[in-house]
Amino acid sequence: DTGVSQDPRHKITKRGQNVTFRCDPISEHNRLYWYRQTLGQGPEFLTYFQNEAQLEKSRLLSDRFSAERPKGSFSTLEIQRTEQGDSAMYLCASSSSQGNTGELFFGEGSRLTVL
Amino acid sequence: QQQVKQSPQSLIVQKGGIPIINCAYENTAFDYFPWYQQFPGKGPALLIAIRPDVSEKKEGRFTISFNKSAKQFSLHIMDSQPGDSATYFCAARAGNFNKFYFGSGTKLNVKP
Repeated sequence: DTGVSQDPRHKITKRGQNVTFRCDPISEHNRLYWYRQTLGQGPEFLTYFQNEAQLEKSRLLSDRFSAERPKGSFSTLEIQRTEQGDSAMYLCASSSSQGNTGELFFGEGSRLTVL
Repeated sequence: QQQVKQSPQSLIVQKGGIPIINCAYENTAFDYFPWYQQFPGKGPALLIAIRPDVSEKKEGRFTISFNKSAKQFSLHIMDSQPGDSATYFCAARAGNFNKFYFGSGTKLNVKP
């Protein structure tokens, strides 16, 4: 397995456009997370899935953000009507509920720049 | 409100030195405290982690010291190397589904 993969790695868009990011977790992991990281800050929790169910969503996530994990495998994060403040690195992570080791495996992130 | 406070923001040490990064928290429900290492252009990767019933954990050159009563924990890197130059994040977990709160990060530069 090659780990968590994210696509695209970089996205430049104009304000008001919609963007979608995809995350493919480690195949045997049933938990999937989206985090946002801005320059000089640590990752901030956005949302969490266990299998296909979205179990928690941060108050940071406005109505313009939506995430799905339709078959409990890959996930997408869509941002509608992007704003300059959405510019950040969007990190996906996965983990297994087995063993409760607590380790999150992060992808390399999708960097969004909103002009 | 930041759940985990991390300091210093940046740190420069000479090769062989022992950088120390500190974190503090308030929420006593946190039950797992990892440190992540992040290189430029990469996602964070787990370095070492500790549970609150243990006061110290060592893995290779990396040591976590944990003070439950003070609600503080720290990362020590023994015999630091230029390859350790990276950004380090402490984190704390709340709940049983791995919701982590991260510190703001410490950028470490180990000079040859």
